[in-house]
Amino acid sequence: NAGVTQTPKFRVLKTGQSMTLLCAQDMNHEYMYWYRQDPGMGLRLIHYSVGEGTTAKGEVPDGYNVSRLKKQNFLLGLESAAPSQTSVYFCASSYDGPTAGTQYFGPGTRLTVL
Amino acid sequence: GDSVTQMEGPVTLSEEAFLTINCTYTATGYPSLFWYVQYPGEGLQLLLKATKADDKGSNKGFEATYRKETTSFHLEKGSVQVSDSAVYFCALSDYWSNSGGSNYKLTFGKGTLLTVNP
Repeated sequence: NAGVTQTPKFRVLKTGQSMTLLCAQDMNHEYMYWYRQDPGMGLRLIHYSVGEGTTAKGEVPDGYNVSRLKKQNFLLGLESAAPSQTSVYFCASSYDGPTAGTQYFGPGTRLTVL
Repeated sequence: GDSVTQMEGPVTLSEEAFLTINCTYTATGYPSLFWYVQYPGEGLQLLLKATKADDKGSNKGFEATYRKETTSFHLEKGSVQVSDSAVYFCALSDYWSNSGGSNYKLTFGKGTLLTVNP
């Protein structure tokens, strides 16, 4: 039981490049989330999904797209990276919604955009 | 919107000292409250939670009580260990909406770095 895994762990991009971050969970959770963590700002929700085939915008969705083609995977895409997207990205999943369910986090992806 | 304010760190303590990390919140409804912990190089883990007023969450010697009258959820531990060194996040669940839809989400505080020295 691996829990929540993220790929890659580190990445350096140049401005304008694109990339996809992969999140996988093996707990059969319905809900999945993408957050970004910036110094002194806590975590902010980028996008989330309440089930396979669904996605929805969070607090800071601009510049990102997501897809949930399979229940266990949640992909975060950056179409044209900008320095402002330098951050640590965390994926999380939960069985229930945020009011009651514990969220399980992956180890994070550290992205630097030059 | 709803928000979480927690004491700024860093907090540095000696082993076996008493720990308090203050957390207050503003919310229009009756949110659930959480403490998450992030150990170096890892993702966040749920430490404890409380879902209604006067509930006490506890885990690994940590505890926090949901105080509706003071809108607080302070984290305490009687005797910290070096292994407790981590960043601690207070969070609440709240209902939000924007042009993209509406749902519940977690709102996190900025985090408090705790360092425990032997």
